[in-house]
Amino acid sequence: EPEVTQTPSHQVTQMGQEVILRCVPISNHLYFYWYRQILGQKVEFLVSFYNNEISEKSEIFDDQFSVERPDGSNFTLKIRSTKLEDSAMYFCASSVEGSSGNTIYFGEGSWLTVV
Amino acid sequence: GQQLNQSPQSMFIQEGEDVSMNCTSSSIFNTWLWYKQDPGEGPVLLIALYKAGELTSNGRLTAQFGITRKDSFLNISASIPSDVGIYFCAGLNTNAGKSTFGDGTTLTVKP
Repeated sequence: EPEVTQTPSHQVTQMGQEVILRCVPISNHLYFYWYRQILGQKVEFLVSFYNNEISEKSEIFDDQFSVERPDGSNFTLKIRSTKLEDSAMYFCASSVEGSSGNTIYFGEGSWLTVV
Repeated sequence: GQQLNQSPQSMFIQEGEDVSMNCTSSSIFNTWLWYKQDPGEGPVLLIALYKAGELTSNGRLTAQFGITRKDSFLNISASIPSDVGIYFCAGLNTNAGKSTFGDGTTLTVKP
């Protein structure tokens, strides 16, 4: 069964460093997302991406965040200057518009620890 | 912003018992999704609901999209130990739009 894949599975970085999280969405999907989950809390929407541009973003997705689809398969999340509070599990997700509606499938997550 | 109230926050049940959890919102959603998350892993989709009033089953799981479009419930019948995990509801309105997650229901099943 097709799945969303993410790398790295775990990254430790120093505060102030740039981090890039990578995702390969399901191949025929057209809508891509990033979510964040701080340990023990709920999943929070960060950004959605369609047709090579951001469709919607949350208040969490400030200027230090950016997304890119550099080629036909990868979807990346960049955090420019990491802060301690950026430590979380970051989930990539993708979906395709079907006749019924939109179903979002998640990757396994990238665990980011900022020290 | 939109918020989902998911309840209960946690449940401790005996193996074989039925479970019910629900999500309510002050806002209307066009799609309700239910996910299960195991520790350290990504949410796994259980059931997707697209129409008000829709009742959908997936094995021992049954979920319904409320008529008002502001609520949804998930039932698990005859629970087993592997049902343990955190269950999240999510509501969304548009493709490539923002989805809102509930706070989760932590389910513990005692053998």
